[in-house]
Amino acid sequence: EPEVTQTPSHQVTQMGQEVILRCVPISNHLYFYWYRQILGQKVEFLVSFYNNEISEKSEIFDDQFSVERPDGSNFTLKIRSTKLEDSAMYFCASSVGLANRDTQYFGPGTRLTVL
Amino acid sequence: AQRVTQPEKLLSVFKGAPVELKCNYSYSGSPELFWYVQYSRQRLQLLLRHISRESIKGFTADLNKGETSFHLKKPFAQEEDSAMYYCASFSGGYNKLIFGAGTRLAVHP
Repeated sequence: EPEVTQTPSHQVTQMGQEVILRCVPISNHLYFYWYRQILGQKVEFLVSFYNNEISEKSEIFDDQFSVERPDGSNFTLKIRSTKLEDSAMYFCASSVGLANRDTQYFGPGTRLTVL
Repeated sequence: AQRVTQPEKLLSVFKGAPVELKCNYSYSGSPELFWYVQYSRQRLQLLLRHISRESIKGFTADLNKGETSFHLKKPFAQEEDSAMYYCASFSGGYNKLIFGAGTRLAVHP
């Protein structure tokens, strides 16, 4: 059964550095998402992406964040200048996208630690 | 703002006991609700979606619009059911999911 994959599984970075988190969505899916979960807190929506553009973003997704689909398979989340409070588990998800509100399938997550 | 509430952080039961994980939502329209499960160190996996009305791994959940609830139930818990369970809802007309805080289910032998 196809799955969403994410790399790396754990990323450690210094405050102020740029990080890129990578995701490979399920191949026939058209909608892509990023969520994050700070330790001990809820899973929070960051952004959704469809047809090569952002379809919705949350208040968390400020100018420090960007997403891109650089080729036909990868979907990336870039944080330009990381802050301590960006430390979290970042989940990528994808859905078929043929109808609104399709089931979202999640990747295993990338744990980002900002020192 | 739309909210999903899971009032219990931890639910501890013995094997074979019934389980009910509570979820309440606030949404004025037609809600679409999910239960996701996360086993230790694994990804969030879809367990149930209310529109499908399926029973997965013996779990069921019924949408109660009067009580704005979508509680997850299983008549006889198994040790392998031990995991984090998240209730989630679509937000309005968009595709973003709103998650509850999660309930850790611990099933003891």
